Amino acid sequence: EAGVAQSPRYKIIEKRQSVAFWCNPISGHATLYWYQQILGQGPKLLIQFQNNGVVDDSQLPKDRFSAERLKGVDSTLKIQPAKLEDSAVYLCASSLDRKGAPQWDLYGYTFGSGTRLTVV
Amino acid sequence: KNEVEQSPQNLTAQEGEFITINCSYSVGISALHWLQQHPGGGIVSLFMLSSGKKKHGRLIATINIQEKHSSLHITASHPRDSAVYICATYSGGGADGLTFGKGTHLIIQP
Repeated sequence: EAGVAQSPRYKIIEKRQSVAFWCNPISGHATLYWYQQILGQGPKLLIQFQNNGVVDDSQLPKDRFSAERLKGVDSTLKIQPAKLEDSAVYLCASSLDRKGAPQWDLYGYTFGSGTRLTVV
Repeated sequence: KNEVEQSPQNLTAQEGEFITINCSYSVGISALHWLQQHPGGGIVSLFMLSSGKKKHGRLIATINIQEKHSSLHITASHPRDSAVYICATYSGGGADGLTFGKGTHLIIQP
């Protein structure tokens, strides 16, 4: 089974530039998450999709960050314009929602390898 | 809001030693994950716990719901176990994602 695919693996941009990350979840996974992991910290949830709808984007800095999952499959996360403090690893994860399973049973919860963003 | 604390932050040990990493959280949860993150790599889920104890190979994870505490143990540690180990909790509420600890950076020296 293919894992969660993310691209690019690394990106270096200057502040005020724009950048986009792409994520392709595991086939059949309805739920997709974007996380931001700053060096030395645990991942922080930015946005959660259920199919093509947004479930939670309360921690997404909406003045500069945007994300979409138009067809309920792959997703893009964009930063425009980037700031120095956006330097981090951006992780995508997906999970399979099983009908009737408890909500906490994050069945098949799988992370991608992440995109390491450096803003200079 | 749930606060997840891990200890120690950094741990260096010799090959073969028994390793314990601790995780404490502040509010009731539905489930707790132990995750492993290798340098430059993605994150792999090791265990998901809601009660008791789970074992997989040389890894053992325990959780005490009343004390709001979980431990990850590694027996007969090996240099390939060197990684960041992250505790993450799920408090439910439908829309919530996981709340992550800051991770424990483990180095096993040969």
